[in-house]
Amino acid sequence: AQKITQTQPGMFVQEKEAVTLDCTYDTSDQSYGLFWYKQPSSGEMIFLIYQGSYDEQNATEGRYSLNFQKARKSANLVISASQLGDSAMYFCAMRETTNFGNEKLTFGTGTRLTIIP
Amino acid sequence: GAGVSQSPRYKVAKRGQDVALRCDPISGHVSLFWYQQALGQGPEFLTYFQNEAQLDKSGLPSDRFFAERPEGSVSTLKIQRTQQEDSAVYLCASRPGLLRGEQYFGPGTRLTVT
Repeated sequence: AQKITQTQPGMFVQEKEAVTLDCTYDTSDQSYGLFWYKQPSSGEMIFLIYQGSYDEQNATEGRYSLNFQKARKSANLVISASQLGDSAMYFCAMRETTNFGNEKLTFGTGTRLTIIP
Repeated sequence: GAGVSQSPRYKVAKRGQDVALRCDPISGHVSLFWYQQALGQGPEFLTYFQNEAQLDKSGLPSDRFFAERPEGSVSTLKIQRTQQEDSAVYLCASRPGLLRGEQYFGPGTRLTVT
């Protein structure tokens, strides 16, 4: 079984500061993928960034970067120069291969990020 | 292009009623997923379709839950004899290919059972 742990239920950050959202995972698979999704109050899950277990470089997408530390089994999301529109729930997720040969996502419990003007 | 759409966005049902939740995936996407998100939790997998075939229904919580995708595009999640614990947001996601790649989520249907 796989598990995703997000230990920060809520965070408050001043606008324009950088913020790190923590995510640790537990898996016995050698090949896996890690995702971060943003969920604003509208409810839609918005894909932010992806890191494959064999990727040597940390993933980056604009203001988002993923601090991937494989030995520690952590995949923290870093948002640089935070903006008011970044206020939302953030979920870390792992791609899991099921017994049926399908791939599904297993999510953490999320971190509610609030940007303070 | 159009993203994943879901309807209705909100549904209130009395305990014991049947409900049907619709998902329109992105056109041409082969894979379709349903997730259930309880209040304050992350989404949890319910079921998976590859085209019209339901290949994985291991996450469905009981036999009151039924999903179909008869023509490999639109999918319907049906819940029979709803109970209060069924109250949650039901998210649909689609993916272009069979394996790997990101899943594109719809806005969800918030179901409240009274």
